[in-house]
Amino acid sequence: DVVMTQSPLSLPVTLGQPASISCRSSQSLGYSDGNTYLSWFQQRPGQSPRRLIYKVSNRDSGVPDRFSGSGSGTDFTLKISRVEAEDVGVYYCMQGTHWPRTFGQGTKLEIK
Amino acid sequence: EVQLVESGGGLVQPGGSLRLSCAAFGFVFRNSAMSWVRQAPGKGLEWVSTITAGGGSTYFADSVKGRFTISRDNSKNTLYLQMDRLRDDDTAVYFCARGQSGPDYWGQGTLVTVSS
Repeated sequence: DVVMTQSPLSLPVTLGQPASISCRSSQSLGYSDGNTYLSWFQQRPGQSPRRLIYKVSNRDSGVPDRFSGSGSGTDFTLKISRVEAEDVGVYYCMQGTHWPRTFGQGTKLEIK
Repeated sequence: EVQLVESGGGLVQPGGSLRLSCAAFGFVFRNSAMSWVRQAPGKGLEWVSTITAGGGSTYFADSVKGRFTISRDNSKNTLYLQMDRLRDDDTAVYFCARGQSGPDYWGQGTLVTVSS
């Protein structure tokens, strides 16, 4: 199975400051169709997960442009340019290239 | 508006069975692969199973293979998860989600508690 390793697992951030989460996969996530199926999800307290980013760097509709995704192969990053109070929650990366699908452990973002 | 509404959760004894349903609204259900993802209390997300749009292919996590069955009724816009031989560690909120490579819409989840 592809292991997804996130860091850090806890991320205290001051409002207005940037934040960055790393996600590394144990195998390359490039697929034969030329795409790389790496997604990022946000789960606010008490809510269902919400997809923010798909195929590494594509932002979903309605997601603020302060969120951005980058990376390739086995190394990926989610960046928040300026953290706002509504960004509090747990962030997960997920690979959709290999079976079984796998998630990272989650990174808990909190306001310092 | 896309909506996914799960139902069927509840309390069941170890070794028992439960069938979850997910009713889909607001999109062409028969054109979308569908997945189940679960979250144990206080834990992270765990992918459980996926079924392709036509139902011809299914995939399962090793932890549920041989015990869970995924199916769909495209005439009823409904996804199912039949869970047999349930274990304590199957206790979780089960989410229905659209897609297979990075689900874009998720339901609110239904809680399954396996306990004697």
